[in-house]
Amino acid sequence: AQSVTQLDSHVSVSEGTPVLLRCNYSSSYSPSLFWYVQHPNKGLQLLLKYTSAATLVKGINGFEAEFKKSETSFHLTKPSAHMSDAAEYFCVVIPYNQGGKLIFGQGTELSVKP
Amino acid sequence: GAVVSQHPSRVICKSGTSVKIECRSLDFQATTMFWYRQFPKQSLMLMATSNEGSKATYEQGVEKDKFLINHASLTLSTLTVTSAHPEDSSFYICSAPPMGGAYYGYTFGSGTRLTVV
Repeated sequence: AQSVTQLDSHVSVSEGTPVLLRCNYSSSYSPSLFWYVQHPNKGLQLLLKYTSAATLVKGINGFEAEFKKSETSFHLTKPSAHMSDAAEYFCVVIPYNQGGKLIFGQGTELSVKP
Repeated sequence: GAVVSQHPSRVICKSGTSVKIECRSLDFQATTMFWYRQFPKQSLMLMATSNEGSKATYEQGVEKDKFLINHASLTLSTLTVTSAHPEDSSFYICSAPPMGGAYYGYTFGSGTRLTVV
């Protein structure tokens, strides 16, 4: 079965410092992986996606993620945090042959201190 | 890009009444719509999958008669919470895959905060 695990439920950084949000996946097939961001009481916005092309994926708002098959990881990074980055982040996988259903990680809440 | 418009964004209703939530795909045809429920500080839980022109598929443990889903057209899917009770209070979100296929990334509605008093 395919799954994703977000290793941290909460991450706190200072404005201007790097962000690292960790995600590990479990998959028998080459996975399709996504990172979404959710601000309070809002829907989810796609940050970036990996679909077996380049292993380093660049997304919106300066975020990027690297697919590492040997480590089964897809960690999200940003060189310099901004106050507006404070939100909930979800790592998501689309399982193979399950009608397009999404499997969500538990979510990581990112706090950014001034 | 693809946009899913979800309404209302916030609704308060009395216990025992019904509430309808609408999701419209604005610039693409959504043959499938996924409905999620999210409790505070938790991840999204898939409730059901609606398909245009056929019956919705519900996840295990989700009451079909409580959460009525209709996908009447290629641009509209609705979720009706019937005889709502306080325990139904939650954040409901819809999502649809883009025309190019699911692997391009789903589009989510902005969510509906339901409070049952």
